[in-house]
Amino acid sequence: GNSVTQMEGPVTLSEEAFLTINCTYTATGYPSLFWYVQYPGEGLQLLLKATKADDKGSNKGFEATYRKETTSFHLEKGSVQVSDSAVYFCALMGDSSYKLIFGSGTRLLVRP
Amino acid sequence: DADVTQTPRNRITKTGKRIMLECSQTKGHDRMYWYRQDPGLGLRLIYYSFDVKDINKGEISDGYSVSRQAQAKFSLSLESAIPNQTALYFCATSHSPGHEQYFGPGTRLTVT
Repeated sequence: GNSVTQMEGPVTLSEEAFLTINCTYTATGYPSLFWYVQYPGEGLQLLLKATKADDKGSNKGFEATYRKETTSFHLEKGSVQVSDSAVYFCALMGDSSYKLIFGSGTRLLVRP
Repeated sequence: DADVTQTPRNRITKTGKRIMLECSQTKGHDRMYWYRQDPGLGLRLIYYSFDVKDINKGEISDGYSVSRQAQAKFSLSLESAIPNQTALYFCATSHSPGHEQYFGPGTRLTVT
């Protein structure tokens, strides 16, 4: 079945550091891929998405590229801020499905 | 005003009690979902509904039931709460399959 694996956290960085959170997936066909972010005490918010191979999703300085050859969708940001501290979830939706399959989440802590 | 609201935001209840969590949305979406979030496990789907007359079990529906009272309202019930149902519960909505889901702020439930 479909599944998502993302790197365990917490990831601790200093402000302005480069961020990578790894995400790989297993799925048949051509799933859509998502990154959601959960700020403390809040629900999940869509951060970015990509619906086909080689698409790059981007938002708020974050980027992720849908790599079908490596079944990956790694999240990157060139310069993190303290306000980026949150839990980040990678997720996929199968190409004939309604279901979002989530990774276990990666907590990011950015220190001043 | 928030598009997806959940009540209550926090609840502590005792083992064996019946409890209902409520979700309302103003996005006009037909599809609604209930998830639970546990540390290290990401989000898991409990129930989903594609319209008022279409309700389906997710991957972890045992011990839960739902009611879709209207397009805008989707309630989750625990008929007889048990401690391992202590978790963070999220409601979500979507416009159609393949589209991103929009999450409520969550209900933190503790069963003692």
